[in-house]
Amino acid sequence: GQNIDQPTEMTATEGAIVQINCTYQTSGFNGLFWYQQHAGEAPTFLSYNVLDGLEEKGRFSSFLSRSKGYSYLLLKELQMKDSASYLCAVKGGTNAGKSTFGDGTTLTVKP
Amino acid sequence: DAGVIQSPRHEVTEMGQEVTLRCKPISGHNSLFWYRQTMMRGLELLIYFNNNVPIDDSGMPEDRFSAKMPNASFSTLKIQPSEPRDSAVYFCASRDDRAVYADTQYFGPGTRLTVL
Repeated sequence: GQNIDQPTEMTATEGAIVQINCTYQTSGFNGLFWYQQHAGEAPTFLSYNVLDGLEEKGRFSSFLSRSKGYSYLLLKELQMKDSASYLCAVKGGTNAGKSTFGDGTTLTVKP
Repeated sequence: DAGVIQSPRHEVTEMGQEVTLRCKPISGHNSLFWYRQTMMRGLELLIYFNNNVPIDDSGMPEDRFSAKMPNASFSTLKIQPSEPRDSAVYFCASRDDRAVYADTQYFGPGTRLTVL
């Protein structure tokens, strides 16, 4: 099976940088995704890593280390609208096409 | 494209009633997923289809739940009989497995189900 761990809650200040970590254990690995979910809304795709290293997309970056079973999502120049839940999802395991989601990290951005 | 379409957006029903949730995936996407999200259990995969065929239904809670995908543009999730513990937000998501980059799942707006 798959096991995904991420912190439950984080708080940061507007304009700052925050790093949300995700560790995973899986019997097979086909990629790691980060999704953003605002309260009462559907998850939306942020980033995808399948190879080791850093993927940068504007204010958001995601890093992956497959050997360590570790990823992080880095948010720069935080804005109030970044307050949301951030879900780490791993694709793979016993069923290569299936993604398993972590419980999410609720980020609160304060002025 | 209108994105993934789900209906109804909200459903309130009484215990024992049949509930049918509907999903229209993004045109051209060949995988479809049904998820359930609650505060206690987070986002759980119930079932997923590839080319209209159920591939993994290990997340379906019990026999009261069933899902169908009669064609590439429509899927249903049925609960019969419904119970209060089925109250949750049910998301449908679709994916194009043939995409060159990032076979991302695109989520619908969800159906908020309340079983009294």
